Amino acid sequence: KQEVTQIPAALSVPEGENLVLNCSFTDSAIYNLQWFRQDPGKGLTSLLLIQSSQREQTSGRLNASLDKSSGRSTLYIAASQPGDSATYLCAVLLIKAAGNKLTFGGGTRVLVKP
Amino acid sequence: DTAVSQTPKYLVTQMGNDKSIKCEQNLGHDTMYWYKQDSKKFLKIMFSYNNKELIINETVPNRFSPKSPDKAHLNLHINSLELGDSAVYFCASALSGVSGRKQYFGPGTRLTVT
Repeated sequence: KQEVTQIPAALSVPEGENLVLNCSFTDSAIYNLQWFRQDPGKGLTSLLLIQSSQREQTSGRLNASLDKSSGRSTLYIAASQPGDSATYLCAVLLIKAAGNKLTFGGGTRVLVKP
Repeated sequence: DTAVSQTPKYLVTQMGNDKSIKCEQNLGHDTMYWYKQDSKKFLKIMFSYNNKELIINETVPNRFSPKSPDKAHLNLHINSLELGDSAVYFCASALSGVSGRKQYFGPGTRLTVT
């Protein structure tokens, strides 16, 4: 059974600092890994998707790395801004005959202080 | 243009009632999902439908019955609501057989059972 863990559960940094969010998963046979952002009371916004064959993906100030063999992904957010305050979720996709299943971590709640 | 939409956004009801949540996607996707996010913010898959056919049923009580009238819609009907059903329910969709299989999420329906 796939388990996804995110550490830390919460993170508070001053504006301008770089953010490092960690995600680990137990079953390395993933198809892809997605990082999402969730604002309070809102839905999920997909930030980055990394295919299992890829090592990293970048979008603006965001960079996500994937080490499938060790079951880890890291989301880096450069030069954090107060607008980056949100909960960040990672999710891994497994392709099975019984259906494609996206398993989420518990999230990291980020607060960027001005 | 809304990609994945859900109605209603908020639903407050009493124990024992029956209620439905609707989901529609205009992305041309063939796979749709229902997820539940509990009070601890953990997101877990409930159901997955591919081309109107149930693919995944994650040990959800049979009081929950998904219905897919067509590929663009996946509704969730809940009978005999219980306090523990209070949560945010997210609908998502994806295109199978395409590199990526990125899932797009709706804004969520916050269900409160009193």
